Amino acid sequence: QKEVEQNSGPLSVPEGAIASLNCTYSDRGSQSFFWYRQYSGKSPELIMSIYSNGDKEDGRFTAQLNKASQYVSLLIRDSQPSDSATYLCAVNGRGSTLGRLYFGRGTQLTVWP
Amino acid sequence: GAVVSQHPSWVICKSGTSVKIECRSLDFQATTMFWYRQFPKQSLMLMATSNEGSKATYEQGVEKDKFLINHASLTLSTLTVTSAHPEDSSFYICSARPPLVTASTDTQYFGPGTRLTVL
Repeated sequence: QKEVEQNSGPLSVPEGAIASLNCTYSDRGSQSFFWYRQYSGKSPELIMSIYSNGDKEDGRFTAQLNKASQYVSLLIRDSQPSDSATYLCAVNGRGSTLGRLYFGRGTQLTVWP
Repeated sequence: GAVVSQHPSWVICKSGTSVKIECRSLDFQATTMFWYRQFPKQSLMLMATSNEGSKATYEQGVEKDKFLINHASLTLSTLTVTSAHPEDSSFYICSARPPLVTASTDTQYFGPGTRLTVL
């Protein structure tokens, strides 16, 4: 059973600050990693995908992957109240489970004005 | 691109009736679709994996005779909750995976979800 662990939070940051969300995974061979944002009562929305070690930036979002440490993180710069949501870390299966996502329990982020 | 729709967005039904939920990939063909269920303040729970033209693969503990899944085309999968009961009330979400992907390009897109309330 593949495990994906997230710091459960809740995480609260002021507007304009950097929010840091962390995730670890158990399967060392995992190759695809995703961050989804889920607003209350809505379905998850893909905001970042990362497949190789290092940083990947997209606007205010930066995903960081360290396969040796089995660690993936998401940084949100200049946090806005509209970023308040639950962030789900997901890891793709491989081999016979390629395409199946394994989710963490999510980290609830609140950005206060 | 990569839009997935679900219909209906919400449904209220009486106990004992069946409810069908549709999941469509609007701008890509999805060889694989997934069905999830989410209870309030809990994470997503994968119910089943649906491959076009073949039987769905159900996760452990999910009753395949109660949750009927059909994936008859590359753009449509349906979930039918048969003989629904109040404990089936939940948020049902589908996702679709484009074909011909590799491990380094694999992505999954979610539909907006269907909120089912069984009275």
